[in-house]
Amino acid sequence: AQSVTQLGSHVSVSEGALVLLRCNYSSSVPPYLFWYVQYPNQGLQLLLKYTTGATLVKGINGFEAEFKKSETSFHLTKPSAHMSDAAEYFCAVSGNNQGGKLIFGQGTELSVKP
Amino acid sequence: EAGVVQSPRYKIIEKKQPVAFWCNPISGHNTLYWYLQNLGQGPELLIRYENEEAVDDSQLPKDRFSAERLKGVDSTLKIQPAELGDSAVYLCASSLQQGNGYEQYFGPGTRLTVT
Repeated sequence: AQSVTQLGSHVSVSEGALVLLRCNYSSSVPPYLFWYVQYPNQGLQLLLKYTTGATLVKGINGFEAEFKKSETSFHLTKPSAHMSDAAEYFCAVSGNNQGGKLIFGQGTELSVKP
Repeated sequence: EAGVVQSPRYKIIEKKQPVAFWCNPISGHNTLYWYLQNLGQGPELLIRYENEEAVDDSQLPKDRFSAERLKGVDSTLKIQPAELGDSAVYLCASSLQQGNGYEQYFGPGTRLTVT
């Protein structure tokens, strides 16, 4: 079975500060890992994904994430937060033969203070 | 390119009433997903379609929920009768094909409130 744990349901940072959103996963097969962002009253938008290959993945809006197999982690970072980054962020995992089924974490709400 | 379209965006009904949600996926996308998102939680898969065939409906509460995808394009999710606990956001997503290499594109969702 697969699962995702996002540490911290709410993270607050100042504008210009580092953003770090934590995600740990459990998977019995090589995982595919995703980060999605959800703005209020909108659907989810893919930020980035890890499938195979390079463990440091770059996404949209300046975000990146690093797959660390030994730590079963896939933390999301951005060097400098912008007010427009305030949203809900979801980490998700899927595995082989799952037909693309995504297992989501509970989400982390990011607030950005001016 | 038009995104995934869902309607209605909001729905308020009394318990025991029926309700239906409609989804139009991105043109050419063979795989369609319905997810349930409770407040403060991540989405959970209800059902996945490959063209018109439901290939994973293990999480769909079949006593009150039903879904269809006629002609492998649009899809409808129905609840009959609705219960208070069904209040949530129902998300539809589509991808070109099933599998991990294909991005899922999400619609804005339908927010259901059952009173």
